[in-house]
Amino acid sequence: KAGVTQTPRYLIKTRGQQVTLSCSPISGHRSVSWYQQTPGQGLQFLFEYFSETQRNKGNFPGRFSGRQFSNSRSEMNVSTLELGDSALYLCASSRQGGQSNEQFFGPGTRLTVL
Amino acid sequence: GENVEQHPSTLSVQEGDSAVIKCTYSDSASNYFPWYKQELGKGPQLIIDIRSNVGEKKDQRIAVTLNKTAKHFSLHITETQPEDSAVYFCAASILSGNQFYFGTGTSLTVIP
Repeated sequence: KAGVTQTPRYLIKTRGQQVTLSCSPISGHRSVSWYQQTPGQGLQFLFEYFSETQRNKGNFPGRFSGRQFSNSRSEMNVSTLELGDSALYLCASSRQGGQSNEQFFGPGTRLTVL
Repeated sequence: GENVEQHPSTLSVQEGDSAVIKCTYSDSASNYFPWYKQELGKGPQLIIDIRSNVGEKKDQRIAVTLNKTAKHFSLHITETQPEDSAVYFCAASILSGNQFYFGTGTSLTVIP
């Protein structure tokens, strides 16, 4: 079974630009969560989508947004990039429902903002 | 919201020794506690988890213990090997929800 895939793996952008990251969950998984990982802050929850609806949201500004498609694939968008947005962005999928919500992470997208 | 604290932030052990990483959580509603291992350049990988109706779970050299009263849980790795060197994260969540709160990570180095 294929794991969680994220594209692109690396991105370099300049301040003020916007960026879109993509995540394909494990087949059959309907929940996709996004995290920002930085050396100083660790793993911080951005938002979670389930059946095309945002179900949970972390404490990030409105510049960070996302969406989920009917095939459960998800995209994350960051507008008006700032230097502090440089981070590893991780996507995690889970099946959801019942007593099973193990999250499986993708390899991440390394975003560098210059 | 939930607050997860993890200690120590770095840990060095000799190959063959045991390693213990501890986490505390604040929200008594949390009932699912996974542990992740992250190697350089990779995403976190789930290595073991425990639910609040269980006090201990073991999988070969890895074990996790949970004390609901004290709100803390620990990862135990026995007979450590160099390939155990990585960053380990604990997390807490509510099974009926899907928002995970992560500890700040422990960088484990196993010295051959």
